[in-house]
Amino acid sequence: GESVGLHLPTLSVQEGDNSIINCAYSNSASDYFIWYKQESGKGPQFIIDIRSNMDKRQGQRVTVLLNKTVKHLSLQIAATQPGDSAVYFCAENIWGAGRRALTFGSGTRLQVQP
Amino acid sequence: NAGVTQTPKFRVLKTGQSMTLLCAQDMNHEYMYWYRQDPGMGLRLIHYSVGEGTTAKGEVPDGYNVSRLKKQNFLLGLESAAPSQTSVYFCASSTGQGPAFFGQGTRLTVV
Repeated sequence: GESVGLHLPTLSVQEGDNSIINCAYSNSASDYFIWYKQESGKGPQFIIDIRSNMDKRQGQRVTVLLNKTVKHLSLQIAATQPGDSAVYFCAENIWGAGRRALTFGSGTRLQVQP
Repeated sequence: NAGVTQTPKFRVLKTGQSMTLLCAQDMNHEYMYWYRQDPGMGLRLIHYSVGEGTTAKGEVPDGYNVSRLKKQNFLLGLESAAPSQTSVYFCASSTGQGPAFFGQGTRLTVV
């Protein structure tokens, strides 16, 4: 099976509950942030993004919150389902400075208990 | 719409052998990337390209070379494979204005 994520922090939630996955970033100049979902044996899948001129953005069952003061990003998943079980990564970039690629965090494993 | 396609999906190499990983995208994206993913370390950028004919080094470029001869293709080469290059390799592409979209990965084992 997939060996990625052996030592990842894990969040375990009950099906139907809301999940909150957190991410801290270090570069105060970062101005673009993305959340990815990665299922076992697959590539990262884009979930939602947010730019630094916003502090909240909503998608279908997901919300991303950005707190630039404390350099913190969170992903909220409403009514968590078994299909949400995966590893979640935050990624950041500095578009304004011409940095051309994303920098990824180390990830959080979400386990949904039926 | 295939998105980003990586070839091969699995490969086992002996130390010192060479190989090329192929990435193809059909989204007309300018930017393409190669990342490696190791347990507990997230994704690390190897090389990237901001357009046809251009390449640049990422965070962990040593031991790898790349070429972007056509806009839709980005090749990653290992000239002399080492066990430390055992990893899962992901290719991605983007417009440069938004998210990167990833392929399904290549699992490489160097023995």
